[in-house]
Amino acid sequence: TQLLEQSPQFLSIQEGENLTVYCNSSSVFSSLQWYRQEPGEGPVLLVTVVTGGEVKKLKRLTFQFGDARKDSSLHITAAQPGDTGLYLCAGVDNYGQNFVFGPGTRLSVLP
Amino acid sequence: NAGVTQTPKFQVLKTGQSMTLQCAQDMNHEYMSWYRQDPGMGLRLIHYSVGAGITDQGEVPNGYNVSRSTTEDFPLRLLSAAPSQTSVYFCASSYVSGQPQHFGDGTRLSIL
Repeated sequence: TQLLEQSPQFLSIQEGENLTVYCNSSSVFSSLQWYRQEPGEGPVLLVTVVTGGEVKKLKRLTFQFGDARKDSSLHITAAQPGDTGLYLCAGVDNYGQNFVFGPGTRLSVLP
Repeated sequence: NAGVTQTPKFQVLKTGQSMTLQCAQDMNHEYMSWYRQDPGMGLRLIHYSVGAGITDQGEVPNGYNVSRSTTEDFPLRLLSAAPSQTSVYFCASSYVSGQPQHFGDGTRLSIL
């Protein structure tokens, strides 16, 4: 059983569409991180959310941390082919000591 | 500024062989960690270090050893390779303990 679940597992959309991907857990997290990973490369840190209810924006990407700090979402507006990649959420829960990753959402944006 | 550098990029081993995966960072980060990435399972923490001379086990440490003699280097050793260790291995560093910020490009390891 994964501590962090991500949905959907795969997503294929057309350029210009909007999308939301989700990261959920039954545990409370002190913070959550979102990464994007492209084929053949390591993950790249996009954002860290710390406070319940927090919303952070990075150009066309909007990240939200749930009020109870058990879930997070990533919304992309007007997706572009350059947004294609594997989106990973990760964090340390309030009880554990290890930094854990979700399995990821693989996004494909078609031109 | 090279960031996190991993070598080699690809390696094929036979069962029972040993090898060392190299990781170096030039950002003077205290925290370094090793992950393995397998399809559908995300990244799993193998070992980590909060500074030179200090290492600890992560989620999946069996079959791997690490050492941290300098701030810059954090090698991962496979003692006796097994097919279950076929994976992509990532090294990461950060100034914040427990939250990897910078990843290398990975070592793709196949054990036959």
